[in-house]
Amino acid sequence: GNSVTQMEGPVTLSEEAFLTINCTYTATGYPSLFWYVQYPGEGLQLLLKATKADDKGSNKGFEATYRKETTSFHLEKGSVQVSDSAVYFCALRGSGGYNKLIFGAGTRLAVHP
Amino acid sequence: DAGVTQSPTHLIKTRGQQVTLRCSPKSGHDTVSWYQQALGQGPQFIFQYYEEEERQRGNFPDRFSGHQFPNYSSELNVNALLLGDSALYLCASSSGGRHGDETQYFGPGTRLLVL
Repeated sequence: GNSVTQMEGPVTLSEEAFLTINCTYTATGYPSLFWYVQYPGEGLQLLLKATKADDKGSNKGFEATYRKETTSFHLEKGSVQVSDSAVYFCALRGSGGYNKLIFGAGTRLAVHP
Repeated sequence: DAGVTQSPTHLIKTRGQQVTLRCSPKSGHDTVSWYQQALGQGPQFIFQYYEEEERQRGNFPDRFSGHQFPNYSSELNVNALLLGDSALYLCASSSGGRHGDETQYFGPGTRLLVL
């Protein structure tokens, strides 16, 4: 079945450091891929998405490229801020219509001044 | 434009009780999905409602049931609560209509504690 694997956290960085959070997936067909972010005590916010191979999703300085050959959708940001501290979830939606979202376990990011 | 809203924000119940959680979708959205997020884990899909019918269900027992109203709002009911039902319950709405392939937007969640 479909699944998502994320790198384990926590990831601890200094402000202005480069961020990479790895995400790989297993799915049949052509899933859509998402990154959601969850700030403490809140629900999930959509960060970015990509719906086909080689698409690059971007938002608020974050980027991720849909790589079908490596079944990956790694999240990157060139210069993190303290306000980026949160839990990041990679998710996929299978192809074929009205499919559920399948989430990874989440990666906690802590950014220190 | 209001986003997805959920009520209540927090709830404490005891084992064996029943609970109802409520969700109002984002304006213009017609599809509601429910997820359970246990502490330290990713959300798990419970079920999805469209046109007042459950059209997809995850691996959850029949104790979990739902309803969608004509105004697209939805309820999640859990009967015979267990300690393991303690979690954050998230509602997500989308405008995928018949195919449900639009992006899902999440509410703030209802945190349920079962004692």
